[in-house]
Amino acid sequence: QKEVEQNSGPLSVPEGAIASLNCTYSDRGSQSFFWYRQYSGKSPELIMFIYSNGDKEDGRFTAQLNKASQYVSLLIRDSQPSDSATYLCAAAWGAGGFKTIFGAGTRLFVKA
Amino acid sequence: GAVVSQHPSWVICKSGTSVKIECRSLDFQATTMFWYRQFPKQSLMLMATSNEGSKATYEQGVEKDKFLINHASLTLSTLTVTSAHPEDSSFYICSARAEGQGGMDTQYFGPGTRLTVL
Repeated sequence: QKEVEQNSGPLSVPEGAIASLNCTYSDRGSQSFFWYRQYSGKSPELIMFIYSNGDKEDGRFTAQLNKASQYVSLLIRDSQPSDSATYLCAAAWGAGGFKTIFGAGTRLFVKA
Repeated sequence: GAVVSQHPSWVICKSGTSVKIECRSLDFQATTMFWYRQFPKQSLMLMATSNEGSKATYEQGVEKDKFLINHASLTLSTLTVTSAHPEDSSFYICSARAEGQGGMDTQYFGPGTRLTVL
């Protein structure tokens, strides 16, 4: 059973701080990893994807992947109240039989 | 990023009626689309995988005769909730698979359809 695990939170950080969101996955065959942001009552919005070990930066967001530890993280620098949302981690595999498993999400609150 | 639309964004219907939801990939072709359902304060639940030109693959526990999926073109998939009942009230979200380099594909989500069955 392929699984993606996230701490449900809530994770509360003050405005301007770094928010660190973590995710582990069970299937070593997973090839690509995604972070989605979902505001209450809205559908998920893709923030970042990462395929290779190491860090990938995009603006205030940095995704980190460690395939040996089967661990993915998302860092949000200079957190803003507008970053308050649920963050979904997802792992995917198989170009032909493309399949994605989503974590249950971590709720983030950024306090003004 | 790629754009996926859904229509309608919300719908209210009477119990026993059928409701059709459309999912379109606007700026790319999607051989595969996915249909999810999400109840309040719960995580996404994959209902089915829709492949263009073939039958959909349903997840365990999802009734294929109740949730009819048609993927007639590379840009359109439809989900029809037949004989809807109040327990079918939920947020239905589609996503479309966009092909990436080296076989690394990405899912982009539509804005969702909120269904309320009275």
